[in-house]
Amino acid sequence: GQNIDQPTEMTATEGAIVQINCTYQTSGFNGLFWYQQHAGEAPTFLSYNVLDGLEEKGRFSSFLSRSKGYSYLLLKELQMKDSASYLCAVRCDNTDKLIFGTGTRLQVFP
Amino acid sequence: DVKVTQSSRYLVKRTGEKVFLECVQDMDHENMFWYRQDPGLGLRLIYFSYDVKMKEKGDIPEGYSVSREKKERFSLILESASTNQTSMYLCASSFQGDYEQYFGPGTRLTVT
Repeated sequence: GQNIDQPTEMTATEGAIVQINCTYQTSGFNGLFWYQQHAGEAPTFLSYNVLDGLEEKGRFSSFLSRSKGYSYLLLKELQMKDSASYLCAVRCDNTDKLIFGTGTRLQVFP
Repeated sequence: DVKVTQSSRYLVKRTGEKVFLECVQDMDHENMFWYRQDPGLGLRLIYFSYDVKMKEKGDIPEGYSVSREKKERFSLILESASTNQTSMYLCASSFQGDYEQYFGPGTRLTVT
């Protein structure tokens, strides 16, 4: 079966750093994705990792370890607007289908 | 800018009705997807289409069908709506082999 785990909720303070973890157990692996979803809005793409290592994009970075079935999304210099759900998703095969985790709801407090 | 539009933001239907949810994208994407999103369950794939008239079942296709007669339009059909199909329905599209899916704003469907 396919299983993607991420924490349900996290809280952090404005200006801080937060790390959102995602572990996966899937029948295949062809890339891991992070999406951001503000309440009542559509998900938007944040990052994509297919090789091990860290991908940095401004305040956001995403890390992947394929041998451990593990990824994290690192958000630096948190802002109030970063309050959202963060969805981890895995592409398991050569199709373009994704399997999503249940999402992590991040609340940023002043 | 990529645009994915869905026919309604909110929809209320009665049990047993036939329901059509429409999705249109304007970026000539080959792939189109229908998901439903429920609290605690996340986004689950209902159906996927990789070309006109081509479709593939996702994780939860039961009770749903789809139609893709034109490249830009992907319809989700609930043949006989039931209360357990009350949910947020999200459409997405992407180029084949591309890693980014673009999502529409969603349709919140309530079946009473």
